[in-house]
Amino acid sequence: GQNIDQPTEMTATEGAIVQINCTYQTSGFNGLFWYQQHAGEAPTFLSYNVLDGLEEKGRFSSFLSRSKGYSYLLLKELQMKDSASYLCAVRDGDYKLSFGAGTTVTVRA
Amino acid sequence: NAGVTQTPKFRILKIGQSMTLQCTQDMNHNYMYWYRQDPGMGLKLIYYSVGAGITDKGEVPNGYNVSRSTTEDFPLRLELAAPSQTSVYFCASSYSDTDTQYFGPGTRLTVL
Repeated sequence: GQNIDQPTEMTATEGAIVQINCTYQTSGFNGLFWYQQHAGEAPTFLSYNVLDGLEEKGRFSSFLSRSKGYSYLLLKELQMKDSASYLCAVRDGDYKLSFGAGTTVTVRA
Repeated sequence: NAGVTQTPKFRILKIGQSMTLQCTQDMNHNYMYWYRQDPGMGLKLIYYSVGAGITDKGEVPNGYNVSRSTTEDFPLRLELAAPSQTSVYFCASSYSDTDTQYFGPGTRLTVL
């Protein structure tokens, strides 16, 4: 089966930076996704990495190392609205998505 | 574009009852998926479809059935509801298996 690990919770202060790590072991690899999910809402797409390196999108960046089975999502200049759960998902060799349990980020004033 | 829509938003069922969760997308996506999300767990794939008339099992298909008669609609059927099926159900769609999946707003189901 697939194994995707990420921390359960993180807390940070408004304006700060938070890094959410994700490690994975899957049967094949065809890309890694990060989704944001606010409480009671649907997951929404944030970023996608298929090659090693850093992808930057405004205040959000995502990094991938395929050889280490590792990714992180970096949230800069945190805002209160960034309080949400962040889901790491890996697309395996059969092009199915497997999700981690999610990291709940709480931003404090 | 409404994207992916799901009905109902909430439902309470008694053990043994049946119901259908509706999912519709207006993006002309070929691929559609059903996931369930339980507290503290990642989303689990129940069933998926690669096009009208074609469906396949995901990781946790037991107790569920699906059909795909049109590109737009992908209903999920629970025949004999059990407490273990209490969960939040998300429908998603993508143009192909290499594209990003877009999620509907979810259906919160409680089986008592």
